Parts: sequence; C-alpha cells; structure tokens
Amino acid sequence: AQTVTQSQPEMSVQEAETVTLSCTYDTSENNYYLFWYKQPPSRQMILVIRQEAYKQQNATENRFSVNFQKAAKSFSLKISDSQLGDTAMYFCAFISNYGGATNKLIFGTGTLLAVQP
Amino acid sequence: DAGITQSPRHKVTETGTPVTLRCHQTENHRYMYWYRQDPGHGLRLIHYSYGVKDTDKGEVSDGYSVSRSKTEDFLLTLESATSSQTSVYFCAITQDYRPDTQYFGPGTRLTVL
Repeated sequence: AQTVTQSQPEMSVQEAETVTLSCTYDTSENNYYLFWYKQPPSRQMILVIRQEAYKQQNATENRFSVNFQKAAKSFSLKISDSQLGDTAMYFCAFISNYGGATNKLIFGTGTLLAVQP
Repeated sequence: DAGITQSPRHKVTETGTPVTLRCHQTENHRYMYWYRQDPGHGLRLIHYSYGVKDTDKGEVSDGYSVSRSKTEDFLLTLESATSSQTSVYFCAITQDYRPDTQYFGPGTRLTVL
C-alpha cells in the first residue's frame, strides 16, 4: 500500500525568506503523480503544484518549486520569498498512474506553515 | 476555480438523524469524489463516482451512501449520523483530460452532537 509521510507538523518562516517542506512516500510503482495542496484558514484546498514521476525536471509554479528525488522517494516543496498569504496547512499527496481517475489520492497528515511578519 | 459548490457549508445535527450533503459542479466532469478531513489523518476518500448512477466505495465508506442521478450532482448521505462522523467533508472532481489531478470544493463542516 502507498503511504505519504510529512514529518514536520509545524514550521515557521520570516516574511521574504525561503522555507522547505518535506514529504516522503512509499510505493512500488514506477508511474505516479505527486502534488502539494495548500489549505489556508478559509479551509479551501488549493492545488499548488503537480509533478509527474516520469519527468526528471522539477516542477515550478512562480515562487513554489519542488525537489523530486525519485530514487529516494522524496518530494519537498520550496517556497521562495515567503508572503503572509502563504500561511496555511500544506498537504503532500500521491496518486498512482494505473487505473486513471478511479485511483485513490493519498494524503500526508500536513505541515502547518506560519509566515511571520 | 473548478466550478464546484457544496451545500450546506455548515451543519449541526443530532445523533441518529439523517443528513445529506450536496456537491454540485457546472462543467460536466465525469469523476466526482467525497472525502472527509480529520486532524491527524489528512483527507480520506469516502466514495467516488465515475458517471451517472456509477459509484464505488473508498477507504472509509462505512456509514455513508452516495447517489448520482445527474452528472452535475453528487450526494453524500449519512443515514443515521454519529458523533464519529463529525468532520469536514470535501467534494472533488477531476477534469476529463487530466484524470490524475483532483480539484476540491469549499468543504462542509458537519457537527454531530
């Protein structure tokens, strides 16, 4: 069974600095997707970034980038130039490529990030 | 914005009463999902649907049923609510051209007293 582990329950960063959130996962599959979702106090789950496992290039979305290490099964999220609006719970998630949309999206337990002014 | 709405957004009910949560989408997506979110567990899949009248169980389906009589609506029913079903419930969809990526609705906070 696939699992996703986020070992940092809480983190804090100063505004304008860079922070990295860790995520590891376990799977025996070779083709899959990884995601980071952001959940601000509004409770909305917002897709931040998506990584295809068969692509070696790390995904980036503006100030958000990932460090995808497939062999190590590691998928960390780097937030550059942190802003107050980045304060949120961040969830790492995994989905297999086999079975299409009937596959289950598996979530980690989240990291609560506080951006300090 | 994936065009997903959920209703109600908040509900307080009593143990033993039936509850129905509604997920509505405006873009004709085929796949829809119901999750619950609890502290320490992230999000867990309850049921999902792959078309009208086509549904299947997820990881935590006991005590829940679903129905999908129209493409745009996916209903989650708690036949007899229990305090353990106090949670935040999220609906999600996938866009047909990208079935690996799920987009979430705003959530419903349900409290069972």
